Amino acid sequence: GAGVSQSPSNKVTEKGKDVELRCDPISGHTALYWYRQRLGQGLEFLIYFQGNSAPDKSGLPSDRFSAERTGESVSTLTIQRTQQEDSAVYLCASSLRGGEANIQYFGAGTRLSVL
Amino acid sequence: RKEVEQDPGPFNVPEGATVAFNCTYSNSASQSFFWYRQDCRKEPKLLMSVYSSGNEDGRFTAQLNRASQYISLLIRDSKLSDSATYLCVVYTGGFKTIFGAGTRLFVKA
Repeated sequence: GAGVSQSPSNKVTEKGKDVELRCDPISGHTALYWYRQRLGQGLEFLIYFQGNSAPDKSGLPSDRFSAERTGESVSTLTIQRTQQEDSAVYLCASSLRGGEANIQYFGAGTRLSVL
Repeated sequence: RKEVEQDPGPFNVPEGATVAFNCTYSNSASQSFFWYRQDCRKEPKLLMSVYSSGNEDGRFTAQLNRASQYISLLIRDSKLSDSATYLCVVYTGGFKTIFGAGTRLFVKA
């Protein structure tokens, strides 16, 4: 596709359940980012993948959060034992390369609601 | 102190007004700077890069002041469609790109 694709667009889950969010980056983009945006707040960095290098997980808020990416393809963000505080929009972005002058292109996000 | 700081606003301006936002950053080694725009309940999109010499794109002008460590965005002849949140973005090296929390702009008829 032409842009970054995320699915599902909306997810409602019950507290304690696991959820998996998917991001399909722009073809050829080596760098992929996950962000969290709570209502009315700024973007909170979660994790960064660059090619086959080890990801930078420094932004993951707890061990309930994990993410995977195989090569330069699809990434999944998994939240285990969801809590109400996890309710937010999860945004994925990709860029042609990481580092200097990278311009990030965002997907439309997954709106997660934990009841 | 936050690495990237913006006045959250909101800025309420009439159509046709000129409005300016500043964004300060704390890392003097920061290398690249951008302004993104985020419409309500939408994803952020690149508005413009910020070059050392300053740059202009139609009604939008971006400036960088390295000595004082801030970037600015000037919008001339504001349109209703300019209403959005404007995000300052600073690239500090390696992979790390820091987004500011954004400045909200409302342009009213």
